[in-house]
Amino acid sequence: KAGVTQTPRYLIKTRGQQVTLSCSPISGHRSVSWYQQTPGQGLQFLFEYFSETQRNKGNFPGRFSGRQFSNSRSEMNVSTLELGDSALYLCASSYKPPGTGDGGVSTEAFFGQGTRLTVV
Amino acid sequence: GQQLNQSPQSMFIQEGEDVSMNCTSSSIFNTWLWYKQDPGEGPVLLIALYKAGELTSNGRLTAQFGITRKDSFLNISASIPSDVGIYFCAGQEDNFNKFYFGSGTKLNVKP
Repeated sequence: KAGVTQTPRYLIKTRGQQVTLSCSPISGHRSVSWYQQTPGQGLQFLFEYFSETQRNKGNFPGRFSGRQFSNSRSEMNVSTLELGDSALYLCASSYKPPGTGDGGVSTEAFFGQGTRLTVV
Repeated sequence: GQQLNQSPQSMFIQEGEDVSMNCTSSSIFNTWLWYKQDPGEGPVLLIALYKAGELTSNGRLTAQFGITRKDSFLNISASIPSDVGIYFCAGQEDNFNKFYFGSGTKLNVKP
């Protein structure tokens, strides 16, 4: 079974530009979460999508947005890039059974290798 | 906001020694996960815990979900050089897939 695939692996952008990152979850997984990892702040939750709907959002400005497609693939977009946006962006997928609400079973999050974004 | 304290921040140990690290939270979690991350790679899931008091092993790794549901520990026995990396705990407090991560424990193993 293929793992979580993130593209591209590396990206260099200049301030003010925008960027789109892609994440393909494990086959059968319907939940995709995005995280930003920096040396100073550690792993910070950006948002989570399930069945094309954003269910949860972290404390990031509106420049950070995302979406999920019907095949569960997800993209995140950062507009008007700032130097401080340089980070490793990680996506995680997990399987969430229908009618979920009890937590527990199959909520493990599996991460991709990440996209290293450098803003210059 | 949610506070997840992971300690120690770093460890330098000799090959063959046992290692212990832990995480505590300011609120109750339903799930605890432990990950290992190598440089430039995404975190890899090591162990998942779902019930208070649960003790789970994965090879030389053992993790426990604290009775209070506010803490968890990870033990590595008989460490080897490939154990080097950063270990993260992650907790989930509700039914959504939003995890809070500890700041990581950087493990160095001397051959």
